[in-house]
Amino acid sequence: EVQLVQSGAEVKKPGESLKISCKGSGYSFTSYWIGWVRQMPGKGLEWMGIIYPGDSDTRYSPSFQGQVTISADKSISTAYLQWSSLKASDTAMYYCARRGGDSSSYGMDVWGQGTTVTVSS
Amino acid sequence: QSVLTQPPSASGTPGQRVTISCSGSSSNIGSNTVNWYQQLPGTAPKLLIYSNNQRPSGVPDRFSGSKSGTSASLAISGLQSEDEADYYCAAWDDSLNGHVVFGGGTKLTVL
Repeated sequence: EVQLVQSGAEVKKPGESLKISCKGSGYSFTSYWIGWVRQMPGKGLEWMGIIYPGDSDTRYSPSFQGQVTISADKSISTAYLQWSSLKASDTAMYYCARRGGDSSSYGMDVWGQGTTVTVSS
Repeated sequence: QSVLTQPPSASGTPGQRVTISCSGSSSNIGSNTVNWYQQLPGTAPKLLIYSNNQRPSGVPDRFSGSKSGTSASLAISGLQSEDEADYYCAAWDDSLNGHVVFGGGTKLTVL
């Protein structure tokens, strides 16, 4: 079964760092792009960026460039999303998702269960 | 303010056909394909339609997509209570080195 399993919920204070993970299984992890999507409480979906684990080619949404870092460790089939200094406005649900093919036409066909990040003093 | 524009809400009765629109521009829908996602309450999004009108395996043929110019539509026929969800359109945008843009989402209520 193809699946993405994300790390558990996090509660952090403003200014702290954080790295959340997304582990793929059931398919060739290095052959599919993995993207990250933010959903703030009660709001819509926002595309943050995407990485190709095969060569770590990474693209960011202009809205998130410089705000987060996307990485991957292909040896353990895991992608990451990290912050160096969290803000209260980073409070959200974060989803990882696999792109179904070599272009955006294929859509994100497999989604993780989501990781809730709460940032509060 | 989302780059792609969707109506915030839509509704219909069981058995009806409803459509949800998604309006963009030449840099996104006008030059790239559109994908649609369904998000049931409290769950992760699910790919419903890709490449404008293709259904992934397992998606009922009650769901269909179309695109014309800089707009796209999702149609749901034979509406069922379990279709009550949020629906999002998405497309690649060629501006600023390229990135995916989403619509703001449409909450579908089955009356």
